[in-house]
Amino acid sequence: GQNIDQPTEMTATEGAIVQINCTYQTSGFNGLFWYQQHAGEAPTFLSYNVLDGLEEKGRFSSFLSRSKGYSYLLLKELQMKDSASYLCAVRDRASGGSYIPTFGRGTSLIVHP
Amino acid sequence: ETGVTQSPTHLIKTRGQQVTLRCSSQSGHNTVSWYQQALGQGPQFIFQYYREEENGRGNFPPRFSGLQFPNYSSELNVNALELDDSALYLCASSLAGGELFFGEGSRLTVL
Repeated sequence: GQNIDQPTEMTATEGAIVQINCTYQTSGFNGLFWYQQHAGEAPTFLSYNVLDGLEEKGRFSSFLSRSKGYSYLLLKELQMKDSASYLCAVRDRASGGSYIPTFGRGTSLIVHP
Repeated sequence: ETGVTQSPTHLIKTRGQQVTLRCSSQSGHNTVSWYQQALGQGPQFIFQYYREEENGRGNFPPRFSGLQFPNYSSELNVNALELDDSALYLCASSLAGGELFFGEGSRLTVL
């Protein structure tokens, strides 16, 4: 099984930087995803890490340390529209060879002026 | 626009009834996954289908069942509905275990 832990809620100021952490325990790690989900909408893909290090994509960056079971999502130059839930998902190789992404409970980010 | 469509978008059932939810996957995607998302929680994995075969299942009872059709569309069936089954049901398609593309979900209310 998997254990994925991320903070329940964070608040930040428009224009600032925020880091959302995710720790996990898994037996057959095969990649980590970050998704963004606005209230009442479907999750949308933000980033994917399978090797250690930092992946940068515009204002968003994601970091992975496999040895520590740790990832973070870094959001720069925060905008009001960044207020959403951020989901960490770990892909694990299940019995039978399939790859199954398992999600954490999500971190609700509130950006205020 | 992800290309994944789900129906119905909202529905209300009573305890003990059965429900079928439908999902059309994004063109070219051969894998469909179903997730249950309760309010304020992350999506919980129900099962995954690859080329019409179930190839992964989460911790859900047998009254949750599914199908994948030759065109890779899929159905989720839930029998003997319980109040706790009230949730948003998300379908996601992918290509052989890659990035998930989610539909807008079907919001089920069980009274």
